[in-house]
Amino acid sequence: GAGVSQSPSNKVTEKGKDVELRCDPISGHTALYWYRQSLGQGLEFLIYFQGNSAPDKSGLPSDRFSAERTGGSVSTLTIQRTQQEDSAVYLCASSLNRPQGKQFFGPGTRLTVL
Amino acid sequence: ILNVEQSPQSLHVQEGDSTNFTCSFPSSNFYALHWYRWETAKSPEALFVMTLNGDEKKKGRISATLNTKEGYSYLYIKGSQPEDSATYLCAFSNTGNQFYFGTGTSLTVIP
Repeated sequence: GAGVSQSPSNKVTEKGKDVELRCDPISGHTALYWYRQSLGQGLEFLIYFQGNSAPDKSGLPSDRFSAERTGGSVSTLTIQRTQQEDSAVYLCASSLNRPQGKQFFGPGTRLTVL
Repeated sequence: ILNVEQSPQSLHVQEGDSTNFTCSFPSSNFYALHWYRWETAKSPEALFVMTLNGDEKKKGRISATLNTKEGYSYLYIKGSQPEDSATYLCAFSNTGNQFYFGTGTSLTVIP
């Protein structure tokens, strides 16, 4: 079946603009995660959705970052007033459950803020 | 933020050599330990999920062990091949539903 998909694959934006990154998880997966990898760094947890529960936002680096998950499926990560330090690869993953479930990752969105 | 440490940060081995790396994590409130392989230009791929102290998992030439009491896991690769070159990530989750990745071990297998 289809894996996790993300769009766009690449996004170049100017400092101060807002961007939206999209994630389509595997059908039936109730858990959805957003991570980012900045240059030379490891994977940084951003936010986690589990079913209809309130999301775990503990990893969001600032209030310019927000995410929503509509209908328990598609998720959108929004970054407002982008800064150059927001440049990174943003990865989405989904799993059947948490925290035991293997996470299946999407191909990522490479964001470059000029 | 909890520390999940991986060592070494990188290593180079000759084709055919066996190798291993370490993941250290907090031993309290343990729930699960994951290993992922992340090849360049691809997405991380799950290798193992382990939950019980003493767990051992094997997939082909790759195996992993888990010690939750002392807070470490080892990943072993037997007879390394060039296609094993990748970054190997471990991730720890606790009973508080927190999930943390280590920074990874970058493996290069030299033909």
